[in-house]
Amino acid sequence: AAGVIQSPRHLIKEKRETATLKCYPIPRHDTVYWYQQGPGQDPQFLISFYEKMQSDKGSIPDRFSAQQFSDYHSELNMSSLELGDSALYFCASSSEKSGRTDTQYFGPGTRLTVL
Amino acid sequence: AQTVTQSQPEMSVQEAETVTLSCTYDTSESDYYLFWYKQPPSRQMILVIRQEAYKQQNATENRFSVNFQKAAKSFSLKISDSQLGDAAMYFCAYSSRGAQKLVFGQGTRLTINP
Repeated sequence: AAGVIQSPRHLIKEKRETATLKCYPIPRHDTVYWYQQGPGQDPQFLISFYEKMQSDKGSIPDRFSAQQFSDYHSELNMSSLELGDSALYFCASSSEKSGRTDTQYFGPGTRLTVL
Repeated sequence: AQTVTQSQPEMSVQEAETVTLSCTYDTSESDYYLFWYKQPPSRQMILVIRQEAYKQQNATENRFSVNFQKAAKSFSLKISDSQLGDAAMYFCAYSSRGAQKLVFGQGTRLTINP
């Protein structure tokens, strides 16, 4: 079965640079979530989208923005990168139409390193 | 706000034995979902099992089962016949009904001894 795809898998950036993370949900999934997992920590919710509209927002810095496109893929844009942004960024998707809105399936993550 | 607590940072078990991981949560809602996710060294987050709060019957998935005690707000995971491939970090997670964010516990690192 098709899974959530994230690209790139690894990304190295310098401080103050910009990064764009991409997420392709499972086909026919309409909801996308972004999570940040720091070293030795549990994942923290950043933001979610349903049918291309922002549906919830967590502890996402103002330097970060995200959107969901017409083909349901999502992008997380991160500007003015700081050392503390180094983390594993997960995208997850779920499907309201299938009736299993509350089951989120995760992608493999993008490991961002800020030097 | 909902919180999830895993009080066991680390657990270990002999291969083929049974182990139980603990999780408690705090919520004022009556309808919600609980999950166990597994994160092996690859760091992939893998869904292990899902429980709907309005269902009294405990969920099971092959060797994995839960003990859901709604009144006590407890949600433990039992792994039977432990296998080397079960070694991972296990996260308990909560979500409200309706495509809501997951709130995770701190995780329990499970080691399987051969």
